[in-house]
Amino acid sequence: EADIYQTPRYLVIGTGKKITLECSQTMGHDKMYWYQQDPGMELHLIHYSYGVNSTEKGDLSSESTVSRIRTEHFPLTLESARPSHTSQYLCASSLWGQGITEAFFGQGTRLTVV
Amino acid sequence: LAKTTQPISMDSYEGQEVNITCSHNNIATNDYITWYQQFPSQGPRFIIQGYKTKVTNEVASLFIPADRKSSTLSLPRVSLSDTAVYYCLVVGNTGGFKTIFGAGTRLFVKA
Repeated sequence: EADIYQTPRYLVIGTGKKITLECSQTMGHDKMYWYQQDPGMELHLIHYSYGVNSTEKGDLSSESTVSRIRTEHFPLTLESARPSHTSQYLCASSLWGQGITEAFFGQGTRLTVV
Repeated sequence: LAKTTQPISMDSYEGQEVNITCSHNNIATNDYITWYQQFPSQGPRFIIQGYKTKVTNEVASLFIPADRKSSTLSLPRVSLSDTAVYYCLVVGNTGGFKTIFGAGTRLFVKA
């Protein structure tokens, strides 16, 4: 069982609110990622990090921001939620090296903005 | 990043062997081929990876021809619980795992 946790699992929030989605892993992985996935659709990488104090934008533009102050923690923040942000957000982590292709995913946070 | 192409959906029956083929014509020398499984409302889960020839684990087998431009995931004797989306990925060695999940193949296993 993967040791990567996301909270909350489900969140319904009003437009304009600030929200933070939490992601923590206990595997000591340097690399962490946030993906966004609408129901039945592809996963899209929105943010990733190589380690502490490293954050990069992914392939899909997102209004969210991330921070990496500690190795195990990679929260995602939306300053002002909008209905267009309604989606599932998946956090993942991995080691890094030749031939390492396994990433561990959390259960996801399903966000609904009303 | 190498693009992958796989069937959108497949149907099977319990007890059958299922083979899902993926094409990745632009695979680079250092790229590995990886397959993930995703159930509804859950994150993807790693199934198997390979570089060339054949790899087998307790869950599946992965067949990769010599030119590496395609790969086939083989699931032996599927059950209803194998109904899921299966993603074929090509993962390079640049910057860690940071790759594109395509639409995947939706496998429906019927009783």
